[in-house]
Amino acid sequence: GAVVSQHPSWVICKSGTSVKIECRSLDFQATTMFWYRQFPKQSLMLMATSNEGSKATYEQGVEKDKFLINHASLTLSTLTVTSAHPEDSSFYICSASPGLAGVGETQYFGPGTRLLVL
Amino acid sequence: GNSVTQMEGPVTLSEEAFLTINCTYTATGYPSLFWYVQYPGEGLQLLLKATKADDKGSNKGFEATYRKETTSFHLEKGSVQVSDSAVYFCALRAGDSNYQLIWGAGTKLIIKP
Repeated sequence: GAVVSQHPSWVICKSGTSVKIECRSLDFQATTMFWYRQFPKQSLMLMATSNEGSKATYEQGVEKDKFLINHASLTLSTLTVTSAHPEDSSFYICSASPGLAGVGETQYFGPGTRLLVL
Repeated sequence: GNSVTQMEGPVTLSEEAFLTINCTYTATGYPSLFWYVQYPGEGLQLLLKATKADDKGSNKGFEATYRKETTSFHLEKGSVQVSDSAVYFCALRAGDSNYQLIWGAGTKLIIKP
C-alpha cells in the first residue's frame, strides 16, 4: 500500500528556534499534501493543504508566517515551525494524496511528529 | 458547521468481547463517513467507509452502518483481538466543507488477553 513517512518522529527544541518536519510519499507521487495538528485527546485540526509547485492554502486561524509549508516536489513536503514557542508543542501529522484534493481522493497518513518546545 | 463526536476512551475489553465505539455527526447535506485506525507507531489508515445512507462499510471484521435518521456511524466488531488495540477515529467529508476530513477526537481501544 501507499506509504508516507515523517521525519523526525519526535523533536525537542528551545524556545525561539525553528524546526523543520519532513513528509515524504515513498511509493507514489503526492499531488496534494495536508498538514494536521493534534492536541491531546482532541481531533486532528487541518492546518493547510498544499499542491506541488504552488503555495499552500492555510486554514483560518493558522499563521502562514509561523508555519511555513514547502511542497517542492511530488514526494516531499516540509513544515517549518519558525521561532517555536511552548504553545507550539503538539503532534503534527501529514497526509498525502495522489490526486487533487476532492471527493474521491484517499489520503495516506504519516506516523506523526511530536514537537516539544521548552 | 460540520462536526463529529465519538465516545471518549480509553475503552478496555477482554479478548473475544463485542466492541462498539459510538460516533455521531452533524452535517448539512449528505457527507461520506469514515473510520480510521492508528496502530502504535504507525500512521492513520482507512479502516472502512460509507458514502450514502444505509451503506455498510466493513473491513477486518469491523462494520459500521451509515444511519442518517440517527446521524450515526457506530463501529462494531463481534470478537476483538489483542491486535485490534489502537486508536480509532471517526471522520466525515462533506461538500460544503470543501471536501476536507472533519475528525472526531479518537477513541483508544485496549484489548487485554
